[in-house]
Amino acid sequence: SSELTQDPAVSVALGQTVRITCQGDSLRSYYASWYQQKPGQAPVLVIYGKNNRPSGIPDRFSGSSSGNTASLTITGAQAEDEADYYCNSRDSSGNHDWVFGGGTKLTVL
Amino acid sequence: QLQLQESGPGLVKPSETLSLTCTVSGGSISSSSYYWGWIRQPPGKGLEWIGSIYYSGSTYYNPSLKSRVTISVDTSKNQFSLKLSSVTAADTAVYYCARLMIVVVIGSEWFDPWGQGTLVTVSS
Repeated sequence: SSELTQDPAVSVALGQTVRITCQGDSLRSYYASWYQQKPGQAPVLVIYGKNNRPSGIPDRFSGSSSGNTASLTITGAQAEDEADYYCNSRDSSGNHDWVFGGGTKLTVL
Repeated sequence: QLQLQESGPGLVKPSETLSLTCTVSGGSISSSSYYWGWIRQPPGKGLEWIGSIYYSGSTYYNPSLKSRVTISVDTSKNQFSLKLSSVTAADTAVYYCARLMIVVVIGSEWFDPWGQGTLVTVSS
């Protein structure tokens, strides 16, 4: 079982704002990283650190963290944002072990 | 631009050893700034971290797979490899390699970029 908990599915109306959350004890000490995965493709990093976007990721993607919860927010969701989203962090032991959340399927209506 | 490419057999028999190689191009695997990792994804399921390695050879494995996993690095070929022994159908998955960045001072770590992935099927 995953030590990072995500809602299995979330939906958002086109152009609206959606928040995808990730809960876990390790998030009190480590920032989560977030990955977008579209069908048949490899995951792509969209957010890392406190709130950093790799080059090429639209600024409608943002990250935040509070306590044991990390959040990925998409402000003004587009049809192309429909995908699976995974969070990742070290596990709660703080050892050099990493864990992924179970993933959230985002549907853009 | 850094690129990673997985290679290896797409079909492995039960009880045998799965072997994959990740070739890094556009950058050096020996950079002290990075680690390197393997992640897998069974069909229709989520991502699972398998293990990571530093260019010096230090390795870190998922506790649930530790007894069967070996990750090694060949700096002369700019490659790192995965061996998973005693495979079963449960090991059927797309296997990805990725670079792992760790910034200790800010508690920030991330996998980027990823290879395209390779499907390994365990079947007789």
